[in-house]
Amino acid sequence: GAVVSQHPSRVICKSGTSVKIECRSLDFQATTMFWYRQFPKQSLMLMATSNEGSKATYEQGVEKDKFLINHASLTLSTLTVTSAHPEDSSFYICSARVAGSYEQYFGPGTRLTVT
Amino acid sequence: AQSVTQPDIHITVSEGASLELRCNYSYGATPYLFWYVQSPGQGLQLLLKYFSGDTLVQGIKGFEAEFKRSQSSFNLRKPSVHWSDAAEYFCAVGVTSGGYNKLIFGAGTRLAVHP
Repeated sequence: GAVVSQHPSRVICKSGTSVKIECRSLDFQATTMFWYRQFPKQSLMLMATSNEGSKATYEQGVEKDKFLINHASLTLSTLTVTSAHPEDSSFYICSARVAGSYEQYFGPGTRLTVT
Repeated sequence: AQSVTQPDIHITVSEGASLELRCNYSYGATPYLFWYVQSPGQGLQLLLKYFSGDTLVQGIKGFEAEFKRSQSSFNLRKPSVHWSDAAEYFCAVGVTSGGYNKLIFGAGTRLAVHP
């Protein structure tokens, strides 16, 4: 149980285009989903917290207009990187948790490469 | 400020040797503590967690961790390391900030295992 999937696992896009990453909780309802960014050989940096049916809460320094997050249902959250640039290339990981819990279940990650 | 410190960036052990990965946290309230493991290019897998009760916590893959409040530590241990344990290990503390429960991660410890 507690499986989280991400799609796609890898994506390459051209500079200036937008790319959408999906995060799904497959066997539980996730009231909250989190989006992280991880640079090579570094830790996870929390980008935003997304609650179903409400606006995401972004961490300081994260551009909300560039990283659009939608959490339309209890099993799906999407991250859209708008007008991507090479510096947006990174490993993006989502996680999900149920209400009232600290425990997060992580997706396998999405490798984004912007050329 | 809330933080997690993993003093060892990189550790190398021989297969069959014992292992201890250090983790220290800074958090004013009762901590919820986690250890995650990440294989290259993958998401995070929960090894074990501490919420309350017995301070020695057993996890998957033969790992255990001990919570020591007096030392603000939550060190991860394994009596005999296997080659497949080579990975990145992250310690995390669950905190409540701005009304949200979220995880703060340490920088990670990369474990290499020699045959």
